[in-house]
Amino acid sequence: DTGVSQNPRHKITKRGQNVTFRCDPISEHNRLYWYRQTLGQGPEFLTYFQNEAQLEKSRLLSDRFSAERPKGSFSTLEIQRTEQGDSAMYLCASSLTGTADEKLFFGSGTQLSVL
Amino acid sequence: AQSVTQLDSQVPVFEEAPVELRCNYSSSVSVYLFWYVQYPNQGLQLLLKYLSGSTLVKGINGFEAEFNKSQTSFHLRKPSVHISDTAEYFCAVSGLNTGGFKTIFGAGTRLFVKA
Repeated sequence: DTGVSQNPRHKITKRGQNVTFRCDPISEHNRLYWYRQTLGQGPEFLTYFQNEAQLEKSRLLSDRFSAERPKGSFSTLEIQRTEQGDSAMYLCASSLTGTADEKLFFGSGTQLSVL
Repeated sequence: AQSVTQLDSQVPVFEEAPVELRCNYSSSVSVYLFWYVQYPNQGLQLLLKYLSGSTLVKGINGFEAEFNKSQTSFHLRKPSVHISDTAEYFCAVSGLNTGGFKTIFGAGTRLFVKA
């Protein structure tokens, strides 16, 4: 168990640029989540996958955001035409089967700063 | 839909003193309740969870929480804190009508333990 890995740890970009983050969940985990956390707030749900299927997207997720999990393993989160309001910590979490009583295993996050 | 309210954004306490971090939730259906901890520069990790049965749940590092259905609360307690308990603590809920069992987090309580 190597844990959930997120890359990069930090990303600084200019407004209007596109960025992509990667998450590698724990290998046997079927469920993968993306959350966003801003200063002084708890993680806000963005989207989740069950294997390769994206089952839900939050209304917080505008059409500039897209996430994929092509082979049911790693996932990418892309933000197009970044805005300053996108600055946040982007967290990835995974769980074994995705039932409501399971704990989530979190990565250390990708801190995005949009200048 | 579920929601979580953490009543204190910051709790300063002296080392070896007891502490209680308060959490209230709102739900129209049965839920599972969690406390996660986030140490500086680390990912969130599970402290404890309530699924069913005994309303007093014991977790790691000497923490415990009590589920109170009538008051819709799930307060976290520790009888004697250490400097190393300084961290951000998040109460979370997951349940049958969160649309696929996604976990919803509160805004967090920053526990600051002073020597």
